[in-house]
Amino acid sequence: AQSVTQPDIHITVSEGASLELRCNYSYGATPYLFWYVQSPGQGLQLLLKYFSGDTLVQGIKGFEAEFKRSQSSFNLRKPSVHWSDAAEYFCAVGADAGNMLTFGGGTRLMVKP
Amino acid sequence: DAGVIQSPRHEVTEMGQEVTLRCKPISGHNSLFWYRQTMMRGLELLIYFNNNVPIDDSGMPEDRFSAKMPNASFSTLKIQPSEPRDSAVYFCASRWTGTNTEAFFGQGTRLTVV
Repeated sequence: AQSVTQPDIHITVSEGASLELRCNYSYGATPYLFWYVQSPGQGLQLLLKYFSGDTLVQGIKGFEAEFKRSQSSFNLRKPSVHWSDAAEYFCAVGADAGNMLTFGGGTRLMVKP
Repeated sequence: DAGVIQSPRHEVTEMGQEVTLRCKPISGHNSLFWYRQTMMRGLELLIYFNNNVPIDDSGMPEDRFSAKMPNASFSTLKIQPSEPRDSAVYFCASRWTGTNTEAFFGQGTRLTVV
């Protein structure tokens, strides 16, 4: 069975600082990997996705993520955080097309001025 | 496109009442998912449909929950009878099952059972 672990429940960073959110997955084959962001009272918005090819994936809002098969990780990064990035971030893993996603527990990001 | 549309956005109901949540997927999408989000359990997949057919309902908590997709543009999630522990945010998502496609989420329905 597939699973996703986000080890950090809460992270606080200063505005302008760099950010890395961790994600580890368990899946028997090459996974489909996603990062979603959820602002308070809102649905989930896709930040980026990895299916194959280049292991460094660029997303919206200046985010990127790197797929490391040897570490079963798909960490999300941003070089300089903005106050508007404060939200909850979810990593997810999926099987092939048509199958459902399994989400991690989420990481709540707070940004200090 | 207006995206995935869920209604109502908020629902408050008394224990024992029937609750129906509605979802209109994005036009052209042929997979639909119902998720539940709670503080304790995070995001859980309840059920998903491909081409209007339920594929996996192993996440449905118990027989009080049922979901239907009578056509490609509409789905319902029904809870009967509702209980306070059903209080959560329920999300609907849809996608097209082609290569390299992601799921798009609705805004969710916040259900409170008192």
